[in-house]
Amino acid sequence: GQNIDQPTEMTATEGAIVQINCTYQTSGFNGLFWYQQHAGEAPTFLSYNVLDGLEEKGRFSSFLSRSKGYSYLLLKELQMKDSASYLCAVGVNTGGFKTIFGAGTRLFVKA
Amino acid sequence: DAGITQSPRHKVTETGTPVTLRCHQTENHRYMYWYRQDPGHGLRLIHYSYGVKDTDKGEVSDGYSVSRSKTEDFLLTLESATSSQTSVYFCAISEGRGSGNTIYFGEGSWLTVV
Repeated sequence: GQNIDQPTEMTATEGAIVQINCTYQTSGFNGLFWYQQHAGEAPTFLSYNVLDGLEEKGRFSSFLSRSKGYSYLLLKELQMKDSASYLCAVGVNTGGFKTIFGAGTRLFVKA
Repeated sequence: DAGITQSPRHKVTETGTPVTLRCHQTENHRYMYWYRQDPGHGLRLIHYSYGVKDTDKGEVSDGYSVSRSKTEDFLLTLESATSSQTSVYFCAISEGRGSGNTIYFGEGSWLTVV
């Protein structure tokens, strides 16, 4: 079966760095995605990793280790607007392309 | 923003009534999806489509049916709504394959079954 685990909640301070971890067990792996979702809104795409290593995009970076089934999202210079849920998702190809989501990590940024 | 519109955006319905949610895209993407999102469960795939008249079940398909008669439209039907189907429903689209499988979401449809 498919399984994706990430912490339920995290709290961090404005200006700091926070790392949100995600572990997964899936078949037909076809890339790992991170999405951001503000309360009451739709998820929006943040990053995509298909090869091992770190992808950097401004204040956000995402890391993938396929052998360990592990990814993390790193947020630097935290701002209050970064308070949101962060969804780890795995693309799978099992006859058709699907994306399976973890339950999400709610990040609270405090002043 | 991806050209995805969902309708209705908000609906209250009674138990046992049929409900249809519509998703319309202007991106000509091959794949379309219906997810539901509930506290503690995250986004769960209901059904998806990889082309006109080509659909498949997701992980929570019981009680739902879908149809895709045109590339741009994907309908989700609750044949007989139950209170357990109270949820936020998101339509999503993707081109498929690798990074093209990046999903773009519609704004969501809030459904309450009373």
